[in-house]
Parts: sequence; C-alpha cells; structure tokens
Amino acid sequence: GQNIDQPTEMTATEGAIVQINCTYQTSGFNGLFWYQQHAGEAPTFLSYNVLDGLEEKGRFSSFLSRSKGYSYLLLKELQMKDSASYLCAVRGGGGYNKLIFGAGTRLAVHP
Amino acid sequence: EAGVAQSPRYKIIEKRQSVAFWCNPISGHATLYWYQQILGQGPKLLIQFQNNGVVDDSQLPKDRFSAERLKGVDSTLKIQPAKLEDSAVYLCASSLIQGRNYGYTFGSGTRLTVV
Repeated sequence: GQNIDQPTEMTATEGAIVQINCTYQTSGFNGLFWYQQHAGEAPTFLSYNVLDGLEEKGRFSSFLSRSKGYSYLLLKELQMKDSASYLCAVRGGGGYNKLIFGAGTRLAVHP
Repeated sequence: EAGVAQSPRYKIIEKRQSVAFWCNPISGHATLYWYQQILGQGPKLLIQFQNNGVVDDSQLPKDRFSAERLKGVDSTLKIQPAKLEDSAVYLCASSLIQGRNYGYTFGSGTRLTVV
C-alpha cells in the first residue's frame, strides 16, 4: 500500500523555527516534494528532494532519508504569512510522474 | 509564463445535477492531472493524461465522473449525477515530462458545493 503521514496541526511563534515531519511508505520512490497551500488557494511548490540530505532555499530547508522513509521541512525566522498547510508528496516508481499527497500539516504562526 | 487556468472558480449545484470544469495547462506541458481535495485532506489524483491519452484513472469514479483532453491541450472534467460527497475543490495541474524535478504547477481550483 501507499501511506504518507504528517502531523495534522502545529503552532509556532513568529521568528521561531519549526520542523514539519513526513514519513512515507510507497511502492517505489522517485522524489519527495513539499508544497505550501494557503486557505482557499492552490498548492505552490516549495522544495524537492531525490537524494539523501538537506536542500536549502532561503528560510526553507528540506531533508530526506530514503532508508528511513522520512523527510522534514524546516522553516526558519517564521513570519505570520507562513501560516498555511504544508503538503508532503511522494513520486512513486513506475514512471508517469504521479504524485501521492499526504493530508497536510496546518501550521499556525502566532505573534 | 502564464499559469494553469481553471474555470469556473466556484460552483453550487443540487445533488443529481451535472457539472463540468475546464482546465487550460501551461503551454508545452504534456502531462495534465485532475485532483480532488476534500476539506482538511490532501489532494487525491482522479485522472492523469499524457498528451491526450489517459495514463492513470484508477481512482476516478467512472460511474459518474468523466474527463477528456482534446488535442492534448485543454481538459474538461464532468460529474453526472453529482452526490453530496463530491463537494470538494477540484484542482488541475500540469507538468513537463523532462526536467530536474517534474514539479507540478497547480491552477487555482474550482470549489464545488453540492447541496
């Protein structure tokens, strides 16, 4: 089967650091994506990992461990506008670029 | 580049009525996807097209949902007849078949309410 798990909700304080975890079990693996989705809007691409290690992009970093089926998204210097849902998605094997999404983590940033 | 266009933005219908959604992907993107996102859940793939051919429709409720992609560009998704549980946001996305990460670009979605 295919399963992607993330915490349902998280809260954090403006200026702080937050880590959103994602664990996955999929048939095949060909990359892991993180998307940000504000309420009522479409998901927007944040990061992509296909090899183990850390990918850094400004205030956002994403880490992948393929052997553990584990990824995290790290958000630094949190801002109020970072309040959103964060979706973990895995591209399975077998071609055709199909993404399977987790249920998402709703992050609330407080002053 | 222009993004993925979807219409309508919102739709309210009664159960057992029919509804259609339209999507125009980014120019040159060969792959097009329709996702259903129920409130509080992640997007679920309904159907995936490669050019104008279907490559995955395993989660499409074929007794009521249908989709087509004419000439490998625009796509329409239809529901007939609609049920209350079809209330959701229907997201269209497109992607290249080559490139570093094959990332999706999503449209703004159509929010469907079935009453």
